[in-house]
Amino acid sequence: EAGVAQSPRYKIIEKRQSVAFWCNPISGHATLYWYQQILGQGPKLLIQFQNNGVVDDSQLPKDRFSAERLKGVDSTLKIQPAKLEDSAVYLCASRFGTAYNSPLHFGNGTRLTVT
Amino acid sequence: AQKVTQAQTEISVVEKEDVTLDCVYETRDTTYYLFWYKQPPSGELVFLIRRNSFDEQNEISGRYSWNFQKSTSSFNFTITASQVVDSAVYFCALIGIRDDKIIFGKGTRLHILP
Repeated sequence: EAGVAQSPRYKIIEKRQSVAFWCNPISGHATLYWYQQILGQGPKLLIQFQNNGVVDDSQLPKDRFSAERLKGVDSTLKIQPAKLEDSAVYLCASRFGTAYNSPLHFGNGTRLTVT
Repeated sequence: AQKVTQAQTEISVVEKEDVTLDCVYETRDTTYYLFWYKQPPSGELVFLIRRNSFDEQNEISGRYSWNFQKSTSSFNFTITASQVVDSAVYFCALIGIRDDKIIFGKGTRLHILP
């Protein structure tokens, strides 16, 4: 089966610019996550979708970050305007159904550098 | 609050040595799941194993083994006869049944030297 697809792989922008990341989960996976992974740290959840509805966005900095999953399949994460501290790898993951013991499947991530 | 602690930031061993990665967790849930993921240089987190809170049996898969001890809230991961391809960052993670949030540790960077 095809894995979680993310693009772009790398992005370099200046602070105050905007950027968007795209994710296509594994076919049939209803739950989709966006994680932020700062260098040297574990992934931190930004937002969780169940189909096209938001389940948890409590850690999403809503003044600058937004995410959508309009048709319950692929998703975009946007940052506007970017700050230096947003430099990180942004990981998308998906999970089949809602079973707590189902492992997450991750994409390769988008490495964002804000200068 | 839920928490996962991986005290070892970085470990280096010579190829063919055994190495153990430590994971200690905190949770108020009585039902929870623990995971280990591997993150090679390509960046993708690869699922290795899951364990539920009611199953304390140790597990072995090839050169990999996991030791789950509820009494010490630990879920340690051992690689036997390590290989250069095992070099990666390894993450321990926890999810409690009540809030469906998977919490990751900070990871242990493992270097296997040829």
